[in-house]
Amino acid sequence: EVQLVQSGAEVKKPGESLKISCKGSGYSFTSYWIGWVRQMPGKGLEWMGIIHPDDSKTRYSPSFQGQVTFSVDKSITTAYLQWSSLKASDTAMYYCSRRAALTGGNSIDFWGQGTLVTVSS
Amino acid sequence: DIQMTQSPSSLSASVGDRVTITCRASQSITTYLNWYQQKPGKAPKLLIYAASSLQSGVPSRFSGSGSGTDFTLTISSLQPEDFATYHCQQSHSTPYSFGQGTKVEIK
Repeated sequence: EVQLVQSGAEVKKPGESLKISCKGSGYSFTSYWIGWVRQMPGKGLEWMGIIHPDDSKTRYSPSFQGQVTFSVDKSITTAYLQWSSLKASDTAMYYCSRRAALTGGNSIDFWGQGTLVTVSS
Repeated sequence: DIQMTQSPSSLSASVGDRVTITCRASQSITTYLNWYQQKPGKAPKLLIYAASSLQSGVPSRFSGSGSGTDFTLTISSLQPEDFATYHCQQSHSTPYSFGQGTKVEIK
């Protein structure tokens, strides 16, 4: 069974750093791109970008380029999303996701359960 | 970047109704269009990929159509468990943008 299991909720202050995780299991982790999606409170979904676990190649949305960093540790089948200096506007639910193969139209076929990040002074 | 526009932003419907949601892309995305269902407090779930392919396990009352710039998600007979928010997404070129979502509420 394919699973993406994310780390728990975080409460941080503005200016602090943060790294959240997403552990994949039940499939060949290095064969599928891992993506990150933001959902601010009461709002729609925003595609942040993707990373390929095999070579760490990344594609960031221009809206998030320079604001966050994607990384992976394929030895433990885990992807990461990190911030160096959080802002209150980073408060949101963050989902990791698996991009389907090309036969799946590059859709998102599996999602993590989400990590709620709250940034407040 | 490709912009995705969904309509309506919300709708009220009754159990058994036929419901149609549309999604328009700012440029041609051929058939790289996906639909997701999201219930409150839950992660989205893939319903339709490549405009019209039903994801495994999804009931056949859900269907998708369209190509180029205009797409439709249809629920043929709305069931109580279908009250949720529906999102379209283009996966033709990065950034893989989403529509703003359509909330389907009980009339």
